[in-house]
Amino acid sequence: DAGVTQSPTHLIKTRGQQVTLRCSPKSGHDTVSWYQQALGQGPQFIFQYYEEEERQRGNFPDRFSGHQFPNYSSELNVNALLLGDSALYLCASSIRLSTNEQFFGPGTRLTVL
Amino acid sequence: AQSVTQLDSHVSVSEGTPVLLRCNYSSSYSPSLFWYVQHPNKGLQLLLKYTSAATLVKGINGFEAEFKKSETSFHLTKPSAHMSDAAEYFCVVSDNTGFQKLVFGTGTRLLVSP
Repeated sequence: DAGVTQSPTHLIKTRGQQVTLRCSPKSGHDTVSWYQQALGQGPQFIFQYYEEEERQRGNFPDRFSGHQFPNYSSELNVNALLLGDSALYLCASSIRLSTNEQFFGPGTRLTVL
Repeated sequence: AQSVTQLDSHVSVSEGTPVLLRCNYSSSYSPSLFWYVQHPNKGLQLLLKYTSAATLVKGINGFEAEFKKSETSFHLTKPSAHMSDAAEYFCVVSDNTGFQKLVFGTGTRLLVSP
């Protein structure tokens, strides 16, 4: 059983560009959450998708947007990249209304130059 | 609002000695609490979880944690450290509303010396 997968593994962009990160949830999971982990910090919640809709959002600007597809996979889009967007972006999947256990992918390391 | 405070940014132990990583939480709801571990350049792995069942929770790799409501604490322990335990550990809180938003602490780096 494949766990949570994310692509790409690493990404380098320049300020002002746009980026799309992808996530495939664990088999049987219907909810995808995205987190940003800056260097030396704990992950911070960006947003969560369920039934192809954004259900909850953390304290992130509108430059951060997402999408969930009918097969439950998800994308995270960031527009107008800033140097401060450099971080590890983690995707987590879970089953709605379960015991809150989330399974994390290995992450995408984004570097903004 | 929910939050967790990890009381130590770094903990150093010798191999074979006990490990104690401290965490205090704040939550308006009856919380779910977790400990996750992150090895260098790896994703997050769930060590254990508390979801209002037994207050003493056993996890993987010999770790356990005790939920103490009166002290709002959820400290992580292990009787004997192994070199492979060296990693970053995160205490995490979540409400039980179904939205499953996880709130992470700032992390504790565990260093294990031979």
